[in-house]
Order: sequence, then C-alpha cells, then structure tokens
Amino acid sequence: DTAVSQTPKYLVTQMGNDKSIKCEQNLGHDTMYWYKQDSKKFLKIMFSYNNKELIINETVPNRFSPKSPDKAHLNLHINSLELGDSAVYFCASSSRQGVGNTEAFFGQGTRLTVV
Amino acid sequence: DQQVKQNSPSLSVQEGRISILNCDYTNSMFDYFLWYKKYPAEGPTFLISISSIKDKNEDGRFTVFLNKSAKHLSLHIVPSQPGDSAVYFCAAGKRNFNKFYFGSGTKLNVKP
Repeated sequence: DTAVSQTPKYLVTQMGNDKSIKCEQNLGHDTMYWYKQDSKKFLKIMFSYNNKELIINETVPNRFSPKSPDKAHLNLHINSLELGDSAVYFCASSSRQGVGNTEAFFGQGTRLTVV
Repeated sequence: DQQVKQNSPSLSVQEGRISILNCDYTNSMFDYFLWYKKYPAEGPTFLISISSIKDKNEDGRFTVFLNKSAKHLSLHIVPSQPGDSAVYFCAAGKRNFNKFYFGSGTKLNVKP
C-alpha cells in the first residue's frame, strides 16, 4: 500500500501539448504539495493545498494549474508544455499545517521530458 | 536565490566510519529543519528533524546538530553502513507555514 502515489512515473511529450500528473495519498493528511526537482537537483515547492484550499503558490507560470477534487488528491495540469518544463515532479503530503509532525511524505516522482 | 545550500555534492566514507553532511541556510526566521534521504527512482523519505529550540537531536545512528548563530546544521551518521548510500537533502523553513526550502542534496557513498 503506497502512501503517496503519483502517475505516471515517466512522461515523454512534445512541446505545446497539455498533460496531467495525478497524485493520491492514503495517509489522511490535510496538506498536499507539488515540488519540482530541476536540473540542478534543487527541490522547489510549486504549490501547497490544505483541505482542498490553495495556501502556497510559488512563482510558477500560470500554465501550471493544480486541481484538488478532495483532500486525498492533488493533480497537476500543465498547458502548452515547454522544453524548460522537463524535470522530475514530486507530490507530497503532510499532516495539518503547523501541528504535530511536519515531515512530508513524498511520492516516487514523475520524470517529465518535453521534446 | 537559494535559501538552503548543501555545498558538497558528494561524500565518500568507509563503512563503520562517521559521515558528516553539512547544510547552510540564510533565513534567520527558519525554525524547523529536516533531513531527507533519497534512493534512485524513489521520492525523498524523512530521516530526522530538529526544532530551533534545540541544538541537537538524536535518533539511533543519526544525529542532527543545529548552530543557529552560524545558520548551519549537520547530519552525523555513526557508524556508516553501505545501505546509507543515498542522496541526503536538507530542508529548512517556518513550521507554522509548512513551507520548506530544500538544498540540492549530497550524494553519500559508503564503501564496504
């Protein structure tokens, strides 16, 4: 039973396409995140949702739109993909903001390659 | 502008010896710090954390030290084991915001 699962694991697509990455967590956490690991290996937060409400929105192009149908799911939709979007995207979740343990549980990552 | 830096991209240590991984941060408002471990093709997994009210936290072979004045933390692994070979990420932030900044990782290789 995977705690945080994201699909697909690999995604190769052409420039200009629209794609989605799905994420689900079965930990009962209230907060979910999307991180991007760029070519320099830094993990950068993109979005954070708490109980389906957007609470963190970093400087991310508006081609990226997160969707949270319920607190167990946070999907990432990317429009008009560009070469620079190639990266590994990680979904994560944690317990309620500022309460208890704060560590995040990560999915296995989605390697997106835009050609 | 990176708020968390891990200046050593890699570290090689002999099995049984101590591994010391370092991390620096720039924001003095950060009050919570975490270390994650990452194996290839997997997501990072939480290892150990420390609050700014402490200067040391220990969990088995893993100890994290925090030097607030220097804005520096380190992870000590004693004794190092081959299974510890992985990329280690440091993260720092304000706990109430649940927003953490990550470093670029240090790849640890523990040689048998």
